[in-house]
Amino acid sequence: QVQLVESGGGVVQPGGSLRLSCAASGFTFSSYGMHWVRQAPGKGLEWVAFIRYDGSNRYYADSVRGRFTISRDNSKNTLYLQMNSLRTEDTAVYYCTRVLYGDPFFGYWGQGTLVTVSS
Amino acid sequence: EIVLTQSPGTLSLSPGERATLSCRASQSVSSSYLAWYQQKPGQAPRLLIYGASSRATGIPDRFSGSGSGTDFTLTISRLEPEDFAVYYCQQYDNSPLWTFGQGTKVEIK
Repeated sequence: QVQLVESGGGVVQPGGSLRLSCAASGFTFSSYGMHWVRQAPGKGLEWVAFIRYDGSNRYYADSVRGRFTISRDNSKNTLYLQMNSLRTEDTAVYYCTRVLYGDPFFGYWGQGTLVTVSS
Repeated sequence: EIVLTQSPGTLSLSPGERATLSCRASQSVSSSYLAWYQQKPGQAPRLLIYGASSRATGIPDRFSGSGSGTDFTLTISRLEPEDFAVYYCQQYDNSPLWTFGQGTKVEIK
C-alpha cells in the first residue's frame, strides 16, 4: 500500500533553513506528481508546492515562492522541500502528498512533520 | 485566485442525523477539479470525494458530493460516531493553483 513518511522537521530560528524529506513506498514513485501541504497549529490546510512526476515542472504558493524549493530523487523514491529564510508564519505541520492518479487531488498523505520557527 | 468559503463553520448534530456542508467558490470551478477531505484530530486529512461527486476508494456510501459552478455540497446521510471531524473542500485552477476552504467542523450535539 502507499506509504509516505516525512522527516526533517524541528525547531529553527527565524531566517534559518531546514530540509524536509518524504520517503515513498508501495507505488511507482517516478510516475506520480507530488505535493507539500502545510497546516499551521489550529488552522486550515494550505498548499505549498507541487512537482511533476519527472521533476520537469514545479509550482509554488505565493507565500513561499523564492524561499522554498521542492525537488525529488526518483532513484531514491524521495521527495524534498528545502526551506530557506524561514519566518514565524511558516510554523506548521508539513504533509507530503501524492496525486490520486494524474489529477489535481491529494490522494494520499503522510503523517506530517512539525516545523517550528521561533527564536 | 479562487476563494472557497465553507459554511457553516461548525455543525452540531447527533449520530444518525443528516449533515449538509456547503462550499461556495468566488468564481466558477470545474466540477472535475473539486474535492472534499476529512480530518480527525491528530491525523492527516483523507480524500473523501473527488471530481465533485466520485467517492474515493473505501469511502462509505453515506458520503456523497454534488454541485457545479460555484456551489458544491458534501452530504453525510446518517452520521456515524467516526464521522465527527473537520471537512475541507479543495479546488484546482489552471494557474496552476490549489486552494482549500477554511473547513467545517462537524461536532456531536
